[in-house]
Amino acid sequence: TQLLEQSPQFLSIQEGENLTVYCNSSSVFSSLQWYRQEPGEGPVLLVTVVTGGEVKKLKRLTFQFGDARKDSSLHITAAQPGDTGLYLCAGAPVGSSNTGKLIFGQGTTLQVKP
Amino acid sequence: DTEVTQTPKHLVMGMTNKKSLKCEQHMGHRAMYWYKQKAKKPPELMFVYSYEKLSINESVPSRFSPECPNSSLLNLHLHALQPEDSALYLCASSPYKDNYGYTFGSGTRLTVV
Repeated sequence: TQLLEQSPQFLSIQEGENLTVYCNSSSVFSSLQWYRQEPGEGPVLLVTVVTGGEVKKLKRLTFQFGDARKDSSLHITAAQPGDTGLYLCAGAPVGSSNTGKLIFGQGTTLQVKP
Repeated sequence: DTEVTQTPKHLVMGMTNKKSLKCEQHMGHRAMYWYKQKAKKPPELMFVYSYEKLSINESVPSRFSPECPNSSLLNLHLHALQPEDSALYLCASSPYKDNYGYTFGSGTRLTVV
């Protein structure tokens, strides 16, 4: 069974601080996505990374895919209260392109206090 | 149109009721999904439809019955649910053979009383 271990599970920080969320696995993924979900809403796709070592930036968010495509990180610089939400990583197992099935991490609940 | 639309947004049903959840997308995506999500937990896959055919059933109890009438619509029929089935039910879609991310709907908040 393929697993994605996401850490930390909960994070409460002050506005302006930096943070990093990690997703790790012993399995290789063909792609990995990061989603952000607000209460009562569906997850919203932030980014997809597909190449080992790839780094993508989305304003204050930096996403990295590990060289071996087994892990990923999300770094937020100068967090703002609007960044509050549940962050989910999700990986597409190698060979899953004909099913579309994703493996989700357990999620990180982020609270940014003003 | 880059949205997945789910109705209703909220649903309260008794354990003997029959109800249906609806999902619609017009992005030309050929894979559609039903997920169940409990508070502060990741979504759990229930069903996958590819080209309107059921391709994955994650051992979901028969009181949940999916249906895909056409490439844009996905229904989830509910019957004789239990209180523990109360959750946020999410529909998602993605391009077939392109596992680069889902577009999720806003979900239906289901409460079984």
